[in-house]
Amino acid sequence: KAGVTQTPRYLIKTRGQQVTLSCSPISGHRSVSWYQQTPGQGLQFLFEYFSETQRNKGNFPGRFSGRQFSNSRSEMNVSTLELGDSALYLCASSPLGGVGTEAFFGQGTRLTVV
Amino acid sequence: AQKVTQAQTEISVVEKEDVTLDCVYETRDTTYYLFWYKQPPSGELVFLIRRNSFDEQNEISGRYSWNFQKSTSSFNFTITASQVVDSAVYFCALSGVTGGFKTIFGAGTRLFVKA
Repeated sequence: KAGVTQTPRYLIKTRGQQVTLSCSPISGHRSVSWYQQTPGQGLQFLFEYFSETQRNKGNFPGRFSGRQFSNSRSEMNVSTLELGDSALYLCASSPLGGVGTEAFFGQGTRLTVV
Repeated sequence: AQKVTQAQTEISVVEKEDVTLDCVYETRDTTYYLFWYKQPPSGELVFLIRRNSFDEQNEISGRYSWNFQKSTSSFNFTITASQVVDSAVYFCALSGVTGGFKTIFGAGTRLFVKA
């Protein structure tokens, strides 16, 4: 069974640009969550999607958005990039999500904003 | 509010030593779940264990063991006879009803195991 796939693995963008990251969950998983990992703030929850609906959102500005497609694949978008958006963005999937569910993570997309 | 504290930022041990990673949590929920994940250099977090708040039994899986104590709000992780392959960042995490579908992670403990 294929794991969670995130593309691209590495990305360099210029301040002010926008970026779209992609996540393909494990087949059959309907919940996809996104996390931002930085040395200073650690792992922070961005949002979670289930059956194309955003179920929960972390404390990030509106520049961070996401969506989920009918095949459960998910994208997250960051507009007007700032230097502080440089981070490892991790996607995690689970069959149904929710409290107490173990998550399966992808290897992440490392975004560098210059 | 929910919070997970991993006070140990980095630990360095020599192969075959035992090592314990500490995790202290805060929550007002009566029903909650605790997790440990491992993050090797490749980046993806790997699930190790989940415990619910009603199950205080300690768990042993090979060289790994976990000690859950509600009285001290701790969920510590011990690696026995550590190996170089255990070198990674280890995260303790909490998921509770109050937090909805969010999982709160601790800051992580980086473990170096030297040959």
